[in-house]
Amino acid sequence: DVKVTQSSRYLVKRTGEKVFLECVQDMDHENMFWYRQDPGLGLRLIYFSYDVKMKEKGDIPEGYSVSREKKERFSLILESASTNQTSMYLCASVRKNTGELFFGEGSRLTVL
Amino acid sequence: AQSVTQLDSQVPVFEEAPVELRCNYSSSVSVYLFWYVQYPNQGLQLLLKYLSGSTLVKGINGFEAEFNKSQTSFHLRKPSVHISDTAEYFCAVSEGNFNKFYFGSGTKLNVKP
Repeated sequence: DVKVTQSSRYLVKRTGEKVFLECVQDMDHENMFWYRQDPGLGLRLIYFSYDVKMKEKGDIPEGYSVSREKKERFSLILESASTNQTSMYLCASVRKNTGELFFGEGSRLTVL
Repeated sequence: AQSVTQLDSQVPVFEEAPVELRCNYSSSVSVYLFWYVQYPNQGLQLLLKYLSGSTLVKGINGFEAEFNKSQTSFHLRKPSVHISDTAEYFCAVSEGNFNKFYFGSGTKLNVKP
């Protein structure tokens, strides 16, 4: 069974803390994505990666960075968390011959 | 960039009634179209997709959607809904090589007994 695994389902952090959200896929997909989901706004793309060490900014990259050192792992980093980054974060990878996105279960981050 | 519009943020419907969830996108260039479903506290999963060919696409759980190029729409339909269909539904569009996907704001389907 194909799988995208996000390391933390729920996190509570304080303003200014550094936050790591990790995502691992077992399907050998090249493209991976980090989205932010907020009520009424749908999914907004933060960053995506199309290969190891390759990344591109999405629509809302400010305040975030990413790391892709291995093909299966794509990490989202909040260098200094702020309260407006309280949200649900979704990782996904795509099967390139069909365009199907596979999502993790999400990481709900609360910044106090 | 594409924009994807889901005009209905919430759709209440009684069990066994038909339902249509609307999706319109902005660009007339060649696109690929998707519907995803999100059950509470879960990630999204694919319901159906249009890549090419027949404009009527059938998906899982009895859902279907029709691609209308002239109206730039991809509405989702089900002839008879179940309580278990209660979830949030997202329309998505991609161009070319699946490097970027644009999502609508979502429609919450609430099926009542």
